[in-house]
Amino acid sequence: DAGVTQSPTHLIKTRGQQVTLRCSPKSGHDTVSWYQQALGQGPQFIFQYYEEEERQRGNFPDRFSGHQFPNYSSELNVNALLLGDSALYLCASSGRTSGGQTQYFGPGTRLLVL
Amino acid sequence: GQQVMQIPQYQHVQEGEDFTTYCNSSTTLSNIQWYKQRPGGHPVFLIQLVKSGEVKKQKRLTFQFGEAKKNSSLHITATQTTDVGTYFCAGGIDTGNQFYFGTGTSLTVIP
Repeated sequence: DAGVTQSPTHLIKTRGQQVTLRCSPKSGHDTVSWYQQALGQGPQFIFQYYEEEERQRGNFPDRFSGHQFPNYSSELNVNALLLGDSALYLCASSGRTSGGQTQYFGPGTRLLVL
Repeated sequence: GQQVMQIPQYQHVQEGEDFTTYCNSSTTLSNIQWYKQRPGGHPVFLIQLVKSGEVKKQKRLTFQFGEAKKNSSLHITATQTTDVGTYFCAGGIDTGNQFYFGTGTSLTVIP
């Protein structure tokens, strides 16, 4: 049983570019949450997707957008990248099989913006 | 806005000593979760507490949720080198699905 997978593992972009990160949830999970974790800090909630819709959103600008597909996988898109967007981007999945709110995190995508 | 703070930020202990990290929220929480993140790794779910005053144990780990549901603690008895990592609490508001992560406590265990 595969856990949460994310791609790519590492990414280098320049300011102003756009990036798309991908996440496949754990088998049986239908909810995907995205977090941004800056170096030395705790993860910050970006948004959560359920039934292909954004269910809840944290305090992030509209440059951050997402999508969930019918197979429950998800994408995180960031437009007009800023230096401050450099961070580890984590995807977490949850669902009824995990007791509802228990979140399983993927290994993350480490984004560096130059 | 919602804030979840943890103290201490760093803790160095000798192997075999006990360790405690404290989590405090600016608002009342509906539940709280604890995670462990090894260096270079991702957060791994440890436990969720829901009830006021709840205490749960996992082997050498003891988790508490305060009576007012605004604070929580994680206590590790007789630390081992495998306990090294950063411990995060994450507070949930109402029945929503957004969790506010704390600032984390980085634990170093000296053999």
